[in-house]
Amino acid sequence: DGGITQSPKYLFRKEGQNVTLSCEQNLNHDAMYWYRQDPGQGLRLIYYSQIVNDFQKGDIAEGYSVSREKKESFPLTVTSAQKNPTAFYLCACQGGDRVHNEQFFGPGTRLTVL
Amino acid sequence: AQSVTQLDSQVPVFEEAPVELRCNYSSSVSVYLFWYVQYPNQGLQLLLKYLSGSTLVKGINGFEAEFNKSQTSFHLRKPSVHISDTAEYFCALRGSASKIIFGSGTRLSIRP
Repeated sequence: DGGITQSPKYLFRKEGQNVTLSCEQNLNHDAMYWYRQDPGQGLRLIYYSQIVNDFQKGDIAEGYSVSREKKESFPLTVTSAQKNPTAFYLCACQGGDRVHNEQFFGPGTRLTVL
Repeated sequence: AQSVTQLDSQVPVFEEAPVELRCNYSSSVSVYLFWYVQYPNQGLQLLLKYLSGSTLVKGINGFEAEFNKSQTSFHLRKPSVHISDTAEYFCALRGSASKIIFGSGTRLSIRP
């Protein structure tokens, strides 16, 4: 069954800690994306990667870091430098024609800072 | 610059009534338009997309949308809604870059 998964579903973090959110896909898609979702603000792009070992900053990259060592995996680290990390985080992937094709989304991770 | 505006943050409707969720966009280049649905605490799922050709696009779950270039709109419609349509709906566009720009979302609530 092809798809995109995220773990954990819920994550709690103390202030000052770094945490890593997992995103894995078996759709053989080249491009992967991380979004942050806050109520009433839609989705905002954090980072994206169009190919292994390469990634670009999105609109709100400050306080976040990513890696893309494997095609299937695109983990996101929320660092202590992120001032307001409590949010719903969505990972997506896209294959083939990146202009015409849609993005496929994972189920999301809800991060809460205590 | 490109942008997407969803004019209504919330739309309440009665079950079996028709619904229209409004989306306007701004772009100086050709665009590709999408509607996604998000059920509570889940990821987004594609409802439909407009790439070219017929301006009336049919999607899943009985939804359809009409691309209107002169009015720069891509409104989503359904003739008769069901309780299970309760969700948040996002309009999105892609221009020449690989990134997608999302609207702020419209929360559709269905009253029995």
